[in-house]
Amino acid sequence: DAKTTQPPSMDCAEGRAANLPCNHSTISGNEYVYWYRQIHSQGPQYIIHGLKNNETNEMASLIITEDRKSSTLILPHATLRDTAVYYCIVRPKPYTGTASKLTFGTGTRLQVTL
Amino acid sequence: DSGVTQTPKHLITATGQRVTLRCSPRSGDLSVYWYQQSLDQGLQFLIQYYNGEERAKGNILERFSAQQFPDLHSELNLSSLELGDSALYFCASSVSGVSPLHFGNGTRLTVT
Repeated sequence: DAKTTQPPSMDCAEGRAANLPCNHSTISGNEYVYWYRQIHSQGPQYIIHGLKNNETNEMASLIITEDRKSSTLILPHATLRDTAVYYCIVRPKPYTGTASKLTFGTGTRLQVTL
Repeated sequence: DSGVTQTPKHLITATGQRVTLRCSPRSGDLSVYWYQQSLDQGLQFLIQYYNGEERAKGNILERFSAQQFPDLHSELNLSSLELGDSALYFCASSVSGVSPLHFGNGTRLTVT
């Protein structure tokens, strides 16, 4: 599985956009980029994933560079409840009929402040 | 609410004992995954089952075992418990393919 590199911590003011970067320079063509977050000791929460196109859902936007070697998760209007550890994960496309695991790194601890 | 149910939420037991953690996946999900999260190790993948069959194994100790039943719920059995087994144990589920994993809120195991 491709490795990812994320800054260990970031701060963001409430109401501002939080832009969380991730490097995955060894990603291969059949690997997806997934983002999860973990609030305190709760179970990891799925945010978004993509292959090569930019993606947006009700939680966030995912911007993947054209060469796919890096991506940015954007939380458009961060709130205090977005304070969490954010994980960027590269996941191989699984074989038909199965599903592949997620390998978590150390993530980015995002602190949203007033 | 992810739809994945884990029981019990908390478990306190003594060294040398055996415990069983239970996971009910989201309706329709065929794959179940188990993860361990201790303070100094982060989230570690243990094992994956798909429709009752073991599909992938991670850093799971020989003292640990798991199974997935015909109704798709799964159990993680931990035996000869040691202090170092104290951790959060998460279960996740997904349908086949590239669908996201959805995690339960975990079982906190404390071994005294």
